[in-house]
Amino acid sequence: AQTVTQSQPEMSVQEAETVTLSCTYDTSESNYYLFWYKQPPSRQMILVIRQEAYKQQNATENRFSVNFQKAAKSFSLKISDSQLGDTAMYFCAFGGDNNNDMRFGAGTRLTVKP
Amino acid sequence: EPEVTQTPSHQVTQMGQEVILRCVPISNHLYFYWYRQILGQKVEFLVSFYNNEISEKSEIFDDQFSVERPDGSNFTLKIRSTKLEDSAMYFCASSDVGRGANVLTFGAGSRLTVL
Repeated sequence: AQTVTQSQPEMSVQEAETVTLSCTYDTSESNYYLFWYKQPPSRQMILVIRQEAYKQQNATENRFSVNFQKAAKSFSLKISDSQLGDTAMYFCAFGGDNNNDMRFGAGTRLTVKP
Repeated sequence: EPEVTQTPSHQVTQMGQEVILRCVPISNHLYFYWYRQILGQKVEFLVSFYNNEISEKSEIFDDQFSVERPDGSNFTLKIRSTKLEDSAMYFCASSDVGRGANVLTFGAGSRLTVL
C-alpha cells in the first residue's frame, strides 16, 4: 500500500522569503502522480502543483516548484517570494495508476509572517 | 471556472440519525469521490464512483455508508445511522480521468457534527 509522509507538522516563513515543505512516499508502482494541495482557512482543497513520475523535469507553477527525487521517493514543495495568502495547510498526495484512491499525507501547516 | 458544489455547508445531527450530503460535480467529469477529514487529521479516501457504480472504497466505507447518483447532476453520500466518530469534514471531488492521472477538483466541504 502507498503511504505519504510529511514530517513537518508546522512551519513558518517571513513574507517574501522562500520555504520548502518536505514529503516522502512509499510505493512499488512504477508510474504514478504526485500532487500538492493547499487548504486555506476556508477549508477548500486547492491544487497547487502536479508531477508525473515518468517526467524527469520538475514541475513549476509561478512561485511554486517541486524537487522530485524519484529514487529517494521524495517530493518537496518550494514556495518562493512567500505571500500572506500562502498561509494554509499543505497536503502532499499520491495517485497511483492502479487505483482511484488518492493518498494524502498528514499535512504541514504553513504560516507566512508579515 | 467550473467548480464542485456541496450542500449543506454544515449539518448538526443527533447520533443514530440518517444524513445525506449532496454534491454537484463538474458537469463533464466522469469520476466522483468522497473524502473525509476529521478535525486536525489527514484527508482520507472513502469511495470513488464511475459509470454508475462504486469503483473503489476504503475500509472506512462500511455498510452504514452509501453513495448514489440519483440524476445526471447530483452525487450523494448517505450515512445511515450516524455515530459520534462520523463528525468530520466531508469533501466531494470529481475528475475527468481516472487512476493516478486524475486531478481532483474538490468542493468546499460539508461539515458534519454528530451530537
